[in-house]
Amino acid sequence: NAGVMQNPRHLVRRRGQEARLRCSPMKGHSHVYWYRQLPEEGLKFMVYLQKENIIDESGMPKERFSAEFPKEGPSILRIQQVVRGDSAAYFCASSPGTGGGDGYTFGSGTRLTVV
Amino acid sequence: SQKIEQNSEALNIQEGKTATLTCNYTNYSPAYLQWYRQDPGRGPVFLLLIRENEKEKRKERLKVTFDTTLKQSLFHITASQPADSATYLCAHQGDSNYQLIWGAGTKLIIKP
Repeated sequence: NAGVMQNPRHLVRRRGQEARLRCSPMKGHSHVYWYRQLPEEGLKFMVYLQKENIIDESGMPKERFSAEFPKEGPSILRIQQVVRGDSAAYFCASSPGTGGGDGYTFGSGTRLTVV
Repeated sequence: SQKIEQNSEALNIQEGKTATLTCNYTNYSPAYLQWYRQDPGRGPVFLLLIRENEKEKRKERLKVTFDTTLKQSLFHITASQPADSATYLCAHQGDSNYQLIWGAGTKLIIKP
């Protein structure tokens, strides 16, 4: 039973390009969460999705960032027109239900570098 | 705003001793706290969850305490081993049940 799968592990983009980060949750998990981690800082919540629905995107910048979790396929975090400040590690977590009462399962992350 | 503080300085412990890490939170009364381990280049791995009505939780060599008066959680690793070296993260839920607020983590180094 594979865990949360994220790809790519490393992504390099030039300023102005688009970045697409993919996350496949654990089997049986229908809730997906995206977090961003800057060096020496704690993880910051970005967005919470269930299949075909965005439940809470309050932590996601209003511009350039979008997320989806289609009926089929992985969840996608898209960053358009990337800037240097978008360089960070982006982690996806999944859970079988709402809430963290049993802890969250995280993927290994995508490290985005904007040059 | 809700805030979690963990000691930013690395903690160096001799192998075999007990390592104790601290997590302090402010401006909130969380229903539970979670502890995770993170290795370089990897995602956080869930270790333990302790609820506000629990004083202590144990799992093998790990022990977590939760003092709602002090607004503090302590994380202990007994009989520490070099393989326990990692960054340990503390988190609690925010205003919504699913959204976690995280500390920046404490780097633990177990010396042989």
